[in-house]
Amino acid sequence: SQELEQSPQSLIVQEGKNLTINCTSSKTLYGLYWYKQKYGEGLIFLMMLQKGGEEKSHEKITAKLDEKKQQSSLHITASQPSHAGIYLCGADLGGGFKTIFGAGTRLFVKA
Amino acid sequence: EAGVAQSPRYKIIEKRQSVAFWCNPISGHATLYWYQQILGQGPKLLIQFQNNGVVDDSQLPKDRFSAERLKGVDSTLKIQPAKLEDSAVYLCASSSVGGGANVLTFGAGSRLTVL
Repeated sequence: SQELEQSPQSLIVQEGKNLTINCTSSKTLYGLYWYKQKYGEGLIFLMMLQKGGEEKSHEKITAKLDEKKQQSSLHITASQPSHAGIYLCGADLGGGFKTIFGAGTRLFVKA
Repeated sequence: EAGVAQSPRYKIIEKRQSVAFWCNPISGHATLYWYQQILGQGPKLLIQFQNNGVVDDSQLPKDRFSAERLKGVDSTLKIQPAKLEDSAVYLCASSSVGGGANVLTFGAGSRLTVL
């Protein structure tokens, strides 16, 4: 969706390195979701952010929401091969719980 | 808790043929979504149901795609006739809205190849 822009499109990192993925919305965010998708599988929910300045962490993954900038970032610390996959941000931009997604960031982790 | 079930997982058809995909959401989830994910792209919302009513189908190509959710549980997505550009993974998701959050649970998807 052009309403949600993700960067970078793909990323190759060495195992153990940190990385950041960004998601920028063209509209006001009512809720920002991060999902992960492995090849050939459905999406798995990671985290949801609702308020500006909110930050959540799960294991080595941290997500932040900058409401004023209509932007969210996903940061992975000390990447592992298990982190490889496609990370997608999703948002309910118009209310009504109609969730749209960005194009995704493809992460490759070199062992 | 059982997840979202989809079938078939894979389908290969020739253009102009028809195909149908089935989805069984998580029990009690009122909202059901069908997404189309073309290789290398993010999921695109095709249709959203609330119970057995359509909330949004603005992105559904209605000349060839149809979807229904009888009795507010299972759902079927049909394509007739299929075109080459319909080759994609069709993802079904369901959710139960609470606390302003709408976390989707996805099925594994149905991969369609149109030759």
